[in-house]
Amino acid sequence: GAGVSQSPSNKVTEKGKDVELRCDPISGHTALYWYRQSLGQGLEFLIYFQGNSAPDKSGLPSDRFSAERTGGSVSTLTIQRTQQEDSAVYLCASSLVSSKETQYFGPGTRLLVL
Amino acid sequence: RKEVEQDPGPFNVPEGATVAFNCTYSNSASQSFFWYRQDCRKEPKLLMSVYSSGNEDGRFTAQLNRASQYISLLIRDSKLSDSATYLCVVRTGGYQKVTFGIGTKLQVIP
Repeated sequence: GAGVSQSPSNKVTEKGKDVELRCDPISGHTALYWYRQSLGQGLEFLIYFQGNSAPDKSGLPSDRFSAERTGGSVSTLTIQRTQQEDSAVYLCASSLVSSKETQYFGPGTRLLVL
Repeated sequence: RKEVEQDPGPFNVPEGATVAFNCTYSNSASQSFFWYRQDCRKEPKLLMSVYSSGNEDGRFTAQLNRASQYISLLIRDSKLSDSATYLCVVRTGGYQKVTFGIGTKLQVIP
């Protein structure tokens, strides 16, 4: 079956512009996670959704970052007024119910802020 | 102290060698443990869960030591295809956040 998909796969933007990243989880997966991975670094947790609600937003690095999920499916991560330090790979993962279940990752969106 | 700590390596080992990685975690209340594998410029994929009693999957063995708060991954008879970064993952608390270690890079050389 289809895995987690993310779009765009690559995004180059200018400093100060807003970007929107999209994640399509595996059908039926209620839990959805966003992570960020900078070059040579580990995965940094950003936000977690259970259904449409986000019980844990603790990882969002600043108020320029926001995320939403509608219909218990697709999620978008929005970065406003992008900065060069936002350049990273943004990974989305989904799992059946909770993190007791295996997380399946999408291929990521490579964001480069010039 | 980081929640999850790993030696980033790289570990360079010859084909056929046995190699072991450790990962330490800071919260004694951590409940679930996993090893993920990440190939270069690819997304992480689950390698194996780590159970209290330890578990084995072919050439891979995972162990949990709660007293010392570490998990380990042993790879026997290393193959070139085992070259990757191995991520230690820990779940703590009543909500669903998991914490990833920085990963240990393994390079198996011919």
